[in-house]
Amino acid sequence: DGGITQSPKYLFRKEGQNVTLSCEQNLNHDAMYWYRQDPGQGLRLIYYSQIVNDFQKGDIAEGYSVSREKKESFPLTVTSAQKNPTAFYLCASKPEGSYGYTFGSGTRLTVV
Amino acid sequence: QQQVKQSPQSLIVQKGGISIINCAYENTAFDYFPWYQQFPGKGPALLIAIRPDVSEKKEGRFTISFNKSAKQFSLHIMDSQPGDSATYFCAASTGYGGSQGNLIFGKGTKLSVKP
Repeated sequence: DGGITQSPKYLFRKEGQNVTLSCEQNLNHDAMYWYRQDPGQGLRLIYYSQIVNDFQKGDIAEGYSVSREKKESFPLTVTSAQKNPTAFYLCASKPEGSYGYTFGSGTRLTVV
Repeated sequence: QQQVKQSPQSLIVQKGGISIINCAYENTAFDYFPWYQQFPGKGPALLIAIRPDVSEKKEGRFTISFNKSAKQFSLHIMDSQPGDSATYFCAASTGYGGSQGNLIFGKGTKLSVKP
């Protein structure tokens, strides 16, 4: 089945450590997105990429980094510079010429 | 101008009742208005979407009403069921590609349908 796989589902890290969240899609979608979800805050865009080897900052990019070396993969690194990293992180993708997003099941990151 | 304002933040409805969630926008360039449904611990899934050339779209028990002049759109869930209990997000975007293709999301409405 085609879809977006986010791993791991739950992630615990100590404060000050960098952590990388995985996002892989087999939908052959061109665009990929990372959102952060906090209670009552909706979905806030962190980074997005429309083609391989290119990505743009979203509304809350500070403290995060991404790469897009392959069409299928768009990993997100939460760095120690992110002041409040505990959140639910969602990856999404969209084919060229379409409006609709497909979301993964998310990764819940807890920093202690 | 890029915001989408969603209300209410939470909603409790009795089984069989009608759930209504409203969204408003300012950017008249928006031309795609989807609603997403999210269950706890899952990613959002597209529920229904509308383009501004129609005033209403219905899919089963779910209906989007769109008022272009008021820059508002709403989701109506008829005969609400406990299985509809979830968080609902409205969103809007312009165009297919480029940064305009990015969806702008409302803050969500947590719907609880009581048996």
